[in-house]
Amino acid sequence: AQTVTQSQPEMSVQEAETVTLSCTYDTSESNYYLFWYKQPPSRQMILVIRQEAYKQQNATENRFSVNFQKAAKSFSLKISDSQLGDTAMYFCARRPQGAQKLVFGQGTRLTINP
Amino acid sequence: GAGVSQTPSNKVTEKGKYVELRCDPISGHTALYWYRQSLGQGPEFLIYFQGTGAADDSGLPNDRFFAVRPEGSVSTLKIQRTERGDSAVYLCASSLQGSAGELFFGEGSRLTVL
Repeated sequence: AQTVTQSQPEMSVQEAETVTLSCTYDTSESNYYLFWYKQPPSRQMILVIRQEAYKQQNATENRFSVNFQKAAKSFSLKISDSQLGDTAMYFCARRPQGAQKLVFGQGTRLTINP
Repeated sequence: GAGVSQTPSNKVTEKGKYVELRCDPISGHTALYWYRQSLGQGPEFLIYFQGTGAADDSGLPNDRFFAVRPEGSVSTLKIQRTERGDSAVYLCASSLQGSAGELFFGEGSRLTVL
């Protein structure tokens, strides 16, 4: 099965600290897309950042960046200068090659404390 | 509308009843997806529409589940003879054709089967 694994069910940090969420996946494909989605209590999933597997450069979006290690099949999310509004569930997802659907991990519940 | 709209927001029904969940995607988005999210889990793919046709229905769990998108816009997920195990949040998402996987999600419909 082509799975996505998030090994940290919950994390908690103080406001302004940096936090890293881990994600690993299983695939034999060479090209695919990886994503981090945020799900606040409103339930609406929001795209945080996206990485194309054939690009070696790690994606960055303001305070959010990824560490993409293709050989290790690892895709961690780093949140710098964390804010209270970052509190949410975070899901790692992979889009298999040639497919439109996303395969999601189990999620990490992140709490930012004041 | 500005975003993906799902109705109802919450639905409580009795075992054995029939349920319809509606999704109104972002105007102009030709791709539409249904996912199911059980408590404490990541979303699981159900079905993908490109226009009016179901391009991938491999995630539908059994023949009690059916979805339509007759005019290529609004979609309805239909569940017959509901079971307690069908209780979950049903998420709808839409995207532009050919997009690199950036899905825009609605807030979901929470289904509770008593």
